[in-house]
Amino acid sequence: ETGVTQSPTHLIKTRGQQVTLRCSSQSGHNTVSWYQQALGQGPQFIFQYYREEENGRGNFPPRFSGLQFPNYSSELNVNALELDDSALYLCAGVNRITYEQYFGPGTRLTVT
Amino acid sequence: DAKTTQPNSMESNEEEPVHLPCNHSTISGTDYIHWYRQLPSQGPEYVIHGLTSNVNNRMASLAIAEDRKSSTLILHRATLRDAAVYYCILSAPRVAGNMLTFGGGTRLMVKP
Repeated sequence: ETGVTQSPTHLIKTRGQQVTLRCSSQSGHNTVSWYQQALGQGPQFIFQYYREEENGRGNFPPRFSGLQFPNYSSELNVNALELDDSALYLCAGVNRITYEQYFGPGTRLTVT
Repeated sequence: DAKTTQPNSMESNEEEPVHLPCNHSTISGTDYIHWYRQLPSQGPEYVIHGLTSNVNNRMASLAIAEDRKSSTLILHRATLRDAAVYYCILSAPRVAGNMLTFGGGTRLMVKP
């Protein structure tokens, strides 16, 4: 158990729609990272939030956005969904002292 | 980004030691070597990390070559639960933040 939870577990959306995925950490990590994992591939870094501000971004378009709240919970928003956005979305609480990252179980998004 | 090279897959017998190799010939002085593993239908799980010296924890040992161009993750007694994809990742958190760049990893199969 990592203490990182994500909701929902599974989600089905239609191309062009918008989606919000949620993440919370029982340990209250003040840094959270989001990753996208396509089937059969390793996770790809989307962005990271530290103290409610984006603090690093991977090669993802602006329609991928996020929020971090004062209680360190976080959201990933994706606008104008495309079929290729179908993937497992993972969030991770980051321990900035030990550099360990604690991943949640992920949200499986299917875009039809 | 400094890259790592790992075998696509490896097999082991239960209760035997497993040595998972990783090559990272372009590692820089600020790069830490991280290992994560991902069990089926779960998010990645932190295993171990190190900078220059060998490291031990309750899960595994990390042996780092003297020139740091390669490392080996050692599972002392493989169990069926250790069957997973193991990722070797270079990260320079003090320089470039906590982004993890996952490659394809090594799929470890454990035979009873």
